[in-house]
Amino acid sequence: QKEVEQNSGPLSVPEGAIASLNCTYSDRGSQSFFWYRQYSGKSPELIMSIYSNGDKEDGRFTAQLNKASQYVSLLIRDSQPSDSATYLCAVKGITGNQFYFGTGTSLTVIP
Amino acid sequence: DGGITQSPKYLFRKEGQNVTLSCEQNLNHDAMYWYRQDPGQGLRLIYYSQIVNDFQKGDIAEGYSVSREKKESFPLTVTSAQKNPTAFYLCASSRGGPLLYNEQFFGPGTRLTVL
Repeated sequence: QKEVEQNSGPLSVPEGAIASLNCTYSDRGSQSFFWYRQYSGKSPELIMSIYSNGDKEDGRFTAQLNKASQYVSLLIRDSQPSDSATYLCAVKGITGNQFYFGTGTSLTVIP
Repeated sequence: DGGITQSPKYLFRKEGQNVTLSCEQNLNHDAMYWYRQDPGQGLRLIYYSQIVNDFQKGDIAEGYSVSREKKESFPLTVTSAQKNPTAFYLCASSRGGPLLYNEQFFGPGTRLTVL
């Protein structure tokens, strides 16, 4: 059973702060990792993908991957109220084409 | 515009009825997926298809059926055997195959309510 674990939150940060979202996964051979943002009542939107150890930056978002620790994180700098959403971590299976999702972390950015 | 479309956006079903949810993509993706999301819950995989005329059961396939006659289309039928079908249904697609860079994208979803 492949598992992806996230803290469900809720996580609250003040506007302008850094929000840190964490995810661990059980399948050591996994190679592809994704972060999705899901606003209430909407479908998930892909915001970051990461495949190599280290950091990947895209605007205010930074994804961090540590395969040895089986850990992937998402940092949101200069958090804005519009960042308030549920963030889903996903891992692609090694065989086949299944994607495994965490239950999501709810983030609230307080103005 | 490339993307994934789902219809209808909202669907109401009487108990005992079968209903079919539509999913179409023009991304030229080989793999397509159906997930179910309940309030405050994560995504649960219902069915997925890696190629035309082939599909596999996910974790919660009971009470659901699919077909994949065309690359672009992957309709989901919610049958009367599904005891608690009220949920948010999400269709997704990806390029498929053993590619490393293989992102999955979602349609806007269909919200099904049983009356």
